[in-house]
Amino acid sequence: GDSVTQMEGPVTLSEEAFLTINCTYTATGYPSLFWYVQYPGEGLQLLLKATKADDKGSNKGFEATYRKETTSFHLEKGSVQVSDSAVYFCALSPNTGGFKTIFGAGTRLFVKA
Amino acid sequence: SQTIHQWPATLVQPVGSPLSLECTVEGTSNPNLYWYRQAAGRGLQLLFYSVGIGQISSEVPQNLSASRPQDRQFILSSKKLLLSDSGFYLCAWSPMTGGLETGELFFGEGSRLTVL
Repeated sequence: GDSVTQMEGPVTLSEEAFLTINCTYTATGYPSLFWYVQYPGEGLQLLLKATKADDKGSNKGFEATYRKETTSFHLEKGSVQVSDSAVYFCALSPNTGGFKTIFGAGTRLFVKA
Repeated sequence: SQTIHQWPATLVQPVGSPLSLECTVEGTSNPNLYWYRQAAGRGLQLLFYSVGIGQISSEVPQNLSASRPQDRQFILSSKKLLLSDSGFYLCAWSPMTGGLETGELFFGEGSRLTVL
């Protein structure tokens, strides 16, 4: 079945460091891919998305490129801030009219001042 | 614009007591609705989803149930809570485009349940 695997955390970085959180997926067909962010004590918010191969999603300085050849959707940011500390979830949605978005386990990011 | 609310935000219940968590969506009609559970330090587990009033699909066997009495209302219930029911419960809705779900989810603020 479809699945999402993302790097285990926690990831601890200093402010202004470069961030990469790896995400790979297994799916039949051509799923849509998402990154969600969860700040402490809150629900998840959509951070960015890509719906087809080679699409790049971007938002708030974060970027991720849909790589079909490597089945990856790695999240990157050039310079993290303390306010980026949160849990990041990679997810996929099968484009088959189904109703199930599949989430990775989440990666906790700590950014130190 | 669309909004989603769930309550209560925090709940502490004894083992064996009943549970009712409520979720409502505003600003859209006939949304697909979901209940997820997030155990401490873990990912999201889909519990139930609904494509319309009275239509509930269960993803995992458990002592929880869900109901959708109105188009934009989704309720998570239990008759007798277990310790293992503790967690962070998230309601979500998903828009449709061209008759297909977009896959994009909009989450409520979450309800933290502690069973003692």
